[in-house]
Formats: sequence, structure tokens, C-alpha cells
Amino acid sequence: EVQLVESGGGLAQPGGSLRLSCVASGFTFDDYAMSWVRQTPGKGLEWVAGITGSGGSTYYADSVKGRFVVSRDNSKNTVHLQMNSLRAGDTAVYYCAKDRANYGDYLEDWGQGTLVTVSS
Amino acid sequence: VMTQSPATLSVSPGERVTLSCRASESVSTNLAWYQQKPGQAPSLLIYDASTRAAGIPARFSGSGSGTDFTLTISSLQSEDFAFYYCQQYNNWVRGLTFGGGTKVEIK
Repeated sequence: EVQLVESGGGLAQPGGSLRLSCVASGFTFDDYAMSWVRQTPGKGLEWVAGITGSGGSTYYADSVKGRFVVSRDNSKNTVHLQMNSLRAGDTAVYYCAKDRANYGDYLEDWGQGTLVTVSS
Repeated sequence: VMTQSPATLSVSPGERVTLSCRASESVSTNLAWYQQKPGQAPSLLIYDASTRAAGIPARFSGSGSGTDFTLTISSLQSEDFAFYYCQQYNNWVRGLTFGGGTKVEIK
């Protein structure tokens, strides 16, 4: 059974940083791309970033490009999202998700999410 | 850009429901549908526009290609009242975009 468990959310000040982590189990981690998706309270879903299985390629939404960095540690079955220069508009629940294959694709499995609040 | 309509659909149990998703440019059949219930993460319903994910009941079906897609629930059950989102995955470099969602609520 695939399990994805996010951590690292919390309160951050505008301009501050947070690092989210997602620990995966139940599948061969480095065979699959991983994505981060966020959901603003009461609103819809926004894909934020993706990374290939090897970690060699990364992709970002325009809204976070230059501020967020996605990375992975395949020895620990973990994917990270480093969030810098945070803004109020980054307040959301952040989900990590497993792609169908080793490239951007539909999202087969999702974690339960971690809440990030950006406020002074 | 992915546009879903309607934003809200009020229906009675047992009714047939049709949700629409339109892409601003062709995404071929690289389209998925997700269901999300309050307080839960989204879960995959349909991928490649018309293939049901594992364990999804046959009352859910997807159709379409190019720019126009439809999710149909043949006979709405009580557990189907939820939000539904479409997502295109045609070009990762340009981003994997979601539609704004449709809320299916009890009439």
C-alpha cells in the first residue's frame, strides 16, 4: 500500500522560509516522479512543483518559480519542498503526490497534506 | 487553462450527472478527474480521459479528447456528493493544471 506522509508545515512570516518533507513507502520510490500540489483554504487545487525519479529534472508553476525548490533523497524515500520568500498567497494545504510514471502525469496517490500559514 | 462547469450542481440521489471540463488548447487525452470530500485529500477517479482508476465503480465514466471532456455519474449515490476536479498532464514543462472544480451537492 502506498503511503505518503507530509510534515514541516506551520506558521511562517512573510518573506520567511519553510521546508516541507514527504516520506513515501509502499513502492519503488526512485521509479516515480513526485509532485507538490497546494490548495488554498476554500479554493481549488494548484500544482506547484514536480521532480523526476532521479531528481535530475525539476519543474515549477510560474507562481513559485525562483522562490521554491523541490528536491528528493532517494536513500530516504523522501521528497522536499523548500519554500523561500513566502507570501500571504502561499497560505495553503500542501499535498505531496506520486505521479503515474517517471514524468509529469496524473497523480495516483496523495498524502493527507500539511498546512502552511504565512502571516505576520 | 482548464475551465470546469458548472461551479455547483444540485442533484438528487439516483440522478444522472454530467460535469464538463474544457481546455484552452488541446491536451489530447492527457486528462484526469479527481474526487475530493471535505477534509480529505483528492483521490484519482479517471485517467487518460476515460480509464477508471482501480476500485472506482462503473457508474463513473469519462469521455472526450482534445479540448472538451465530460465526467458522467450514471446514478448518483450519497457518497458521491463531493468536489470534482479535472487536471491536464499534456506538458509537464508548462505545468500540470487543474480546473477550478465542480461541487456536487444534495438538492
